[in-house]
Amino acid sequence: QVQLVQSGAEVKKPGASVKVSCKTSGYTFTNFGISWVRQAPGQGLEWMGWINTYNDKTNYAQNLQGRLTMTTDTSTSTAYLELRSLRSDDTAVYYCARDTLTTRPKWFDPWGQGTLVTVSS
Amino acid sequence: QSVLTQPPSASGTPGQRVTISCSGSNSNIGRNIVNWYQQLPGTAPKLLIYGNFERPSGVPDRFSGSKSGTSASLAISGLQSDDEADYYCAAWDDSLNGWMFGGGTKLTVL
Repeated sequence: QVQLVQSGAEVKKPGASVKVSCKTSGYTFTNFGISWVRQAPGQGLEWMGWINTYNDKTNYAQNLQGRLTMTTDTSTSTAYLELRSLRSDDTAVYYCARDTLTTRPKWFDPWGQGTLVTVSS
Repeated sequence: QSVLTQPPSASGTPGQRVTISCSGSNSNIGRNIVNWYQQLPGTAPKLLIYGNFERPSGVPDRFSGSKSGTSASLAISGLQSDDEADYYCAAWDDSLNGWMFGGGTKLTVL
């Protein structure tokens, strides 16, 4: 079945960077895009951005542009999210989710299990 | 403050029908499909309704979605205790060029 398995929890200091991985299986990786969504403790969901796994085209949320990079490794069917210049309000659970390959919005299904990133001095 | 507005909480007794609203604007719900996600405590969100009213395989027909103008609704009939979860609506926003989520509605089964 389709699965997205994310890397483990991270603890980072303010100003550092974090890279989260999302390894997919059960489908052809380059037939679907990947979106990343985060959820701060006790808060709602925030879409961070999307990557087209076929041509590496990206679309980042406006408030994260400049700090965010999404990449893929098609040889391992894995997507990556890197967030730089971390701040305390970046503390959140980060989710990857399978998305459409096109720019026409569809839906996220399924989701990874989530990766907790804690930013603390 | 979310672009899509949901009530923070909703409740009902077993067997009842509850509805959760999601209000947006012409740049999001008015022009694009609405999806609903269910997040059980301590777990990742799960797709519940897509394309305004479609149910993925495995989702009971007790769950239904609708959309009218710039608003959407999720209805849950025959409420069960394991429906206790947070529910989020989502729609693409053409002006902001990104996905917007509602703030989430915490459903309590009394």
